[in-house]
Amino acid sequence: DTEVTQTPKHLVMGMTNKKSLKCEQHMGHRAMYWYKQKAKKPPELMFVYSYEKLSINESVPSRFSPECPNSSLLNLHLHALQPEDSALYLCASSQHPQGLAKNIQYFGAGTRLSVL
Amino acid sequence: AQKITQTQPGMFVQEKEAVTLDCTYDTSDPSYGLFWYKQPSSGEMIFLIYQGSYDQQNATEGRYSLNFQKARKSANLVISASQLGDSAMYFCAMSPIKAAGNKLTFGGGTRVLVKP
Repeated sequence: DTEVTQTPKHLVMGMTNKKSLKCEQHMGHRAMYWYKQKAKKPPELMFVYSYEKLSINESVPSRFSPECPNSSLLNLHLHALQPEDSALYLCASSQHPQGLAKNIQYFGAGTRLSVL
Repeated sequence: AQKITQTQPGMFVQEKEAVTLDCTYDTSDPSYGLFWYKQPSSGEMIFLIYQGSYDQQNATEGRYSLNFQKARKSANLVISASQLGDSAMYFCAMSPIKAAGNKLTFGGGTRVLVKP
């Protein structure tokens, strides 16, 4: 089973709202990722968690706040977003945080976010 | 730095025929992994196939095979016997195999439309 579950599937929020995206995996993976994908573009890495600790932040604005409560869960807290933040947000997980051979990242179905 | 180039933005293929998706890469890392993902319109990134830079044989997974030419720095995906469900965006990606790295670098993608 290589399932990564993301909720909600769709989210519409105003610029003053606070919302959260949730990602869950039960494969025992020790690395989890958040990506942002704009239409017709490849995914762009935002954050990496390794053993539940933030290991990479790709200079993401502070209005995006990641959280890893345990090894199976990854959240992305959203606050005061801008319309240009509208995108597909993808979560992924891999067995190892390090770059090992065949360390495949498995993705969820994503959350389509619209900021009005 | 790593770079992935997919020169075919879009292509049509007749159902039941084979199709080759081009991918070239550039990296200074001696060891790396190459990945292909499929992204249907629903948004989920589906892992298809993996090739390690030191693997002696080209990878195969069912109808997917990877034509890996290390000297040319190319990792083309071949889909045999195309099906209507193969219509999707396809991304080539790579990641260094080293302790500090598990960041995927994606190409721009190729959109495939299978015609009945």
